[in-house]
Amino acid sequence: EIVLTQSPGTVSLSPGERATLSCRASQSVMYNYLAWYQQKPGQTPRLLIFAASSRATGIPDRFSGSGSGTDFTLTISRLEPEDFAVYYCQQYSSSPRTFGQGTKLEI
Amino acid sequence: QVQLVQSGAEVKKPGASVKVSCKVFGYTFSGYYMNWVRQAPGQGLEWMGWINPNNGATNYAQNFQGRVTMTRDTTISTAYMELSRLSSDDTAVYYCAREGYGPTPYDSWGQGTLVTVSS
Repeated sequence: EIVLTQSPGTVSLSPGERATLSCRASQSVMYNYLAWYQQKPGQTPRLLIFAASSRATGIPDRFSGSGSGTDFTLTISRLEPEDFAVYYCQQYSSSPRTFGQGTKLEI
Repeated sequence: QVQLVQSGAEVKKPGASVKVSCKVFGYTFSGYYMNWVRQAPGQGLEWMGWINPNNGATNYAQNFQGRVTMTRDTTISTAYMELSRLSSDDTAVYYCAREGYGPTPYDSWGQGTLVTVSS
């Protein structure tokens, strides 16, 4: 099983700042099948990034993903008020599918 | 428009079973795996398993082996997740989420079904 560890657990930033969220895998994620999801309170997770660096449909270009192998990063270039949420990484390269524990992005 | 519509909230007693449904609209049901993911209050996302609607093949997470059963009814484009021997630790929101054959990430999710286990 691939264990995903996200850091930091919580990050406090202000609108307009840059956010950098990390996701580290316990073993290499094949084909970089690593996704990022955003979840706001009371809402369903929303797919942001797939295959480590591809933006999902309708996702603003201030969201970007990078990395390969075991180290991945989600960057939000200029935070908007609506970006404050919990972010999860997920690997879908092998079974069982696994999620990171989440990073809470707060003001 | 792709939609996954889940059944309503449930309250169950410890030891009981719950069956949650997920009816899909706007795409070919057999064209995607259906995954089930749960989220306990204030916690993260936990993958439970998937079902292949084409042939009914399933793949369950180790944590749920022996307690979870995923089925489907292709005639009504609906997937089901049944969890037995419930305990308070099973109190959570349960989501269905589709995954393309590929594999692919989860691009569409159901709205979630809150299952509360309480005596």
